[in-house]
Amino acid sequence: LAKTTQPISMDSYEGQEVNITCSHNNIATNDYITWYQQFPSQGPRFIIQGYKTKVTNEVASLFIPADRKSSTLSLPRVSLSDTAVYYCLVGEGFTGGGNKLTFGTGTQLKVEL
Amino acid sequence: EAGVTQFPSHSVIEKGQTVTLRCDPISGHDNLYWYRRVMGKEIKFLLHFVKESKQDESGMPNNRFLAERTGGTYSTLKVQPAELEDSGVYFCASSPIGVGVSGANVLTFGAGSRLTVL
Repeated sequence: LAKTTQPISMDSYEGQEVNITCSHNNIATNDYITWYQQFPSQGPRFIIQGYKTKVTNEVASLFIPADRKSSTLSLPRVSLSDTAVYYCLVGEGFTGGGNKLTFGTGTQLKVEL
Repeated sequence: EAGVTQFPSHSVIEKGQTVTLRCDPISGHDNLYWYRRVMGKEIKFLLHFVKESKQDESGMPNNRFLAERTGGTYSTLKVQPAELEDSGVYFCASSPIGVGVSGANVLTFGAGSRLTVL
């Protein structure tokens, strides 16, 4: 699985937009880019996934440039409850489901008033 | 829809004892995974079931760990005998079959079972 690199931590204030960038220089053709969020004492929670260009859902947006060697998770107008660890993962998509996810260190986002 | 349920939420045992962790996946999810995070380390894959069959157990650390999924529903992870380095949080996750290529990396995780070995 492709190795990912993301900042260890980020600080923000309520109401701001937060962008977390992840590098994955060795991403393979069949790899998807997936982001998970984890709160203390909980398991990781799927946020968003993309293959190329831009993906948006009710929680976040994911921007992927044409070369796919990086991706940016964008959280609009964060609140205190967005304080969590955010993981960027890349992994091959294949039919039938079931993939061995590789978690890195993640980015600890801290949102303050 | 009920999520992935894990029991117990926290277990404290002595070195050498046995502990069994249980995971109830989302109903109908044929894929079931075990992951763990030991102190200060990253979340690591342990194994993957498809229904009752072990699809991939490459992450199991040693033969003190035994995972089962009889009947293809809930799963248990037994550690026997437990060692100090087994302390950590054990996560279970599940996903459905047949979600297409893009769904392969979308898992639903439980809250985890914290294991403390003294």
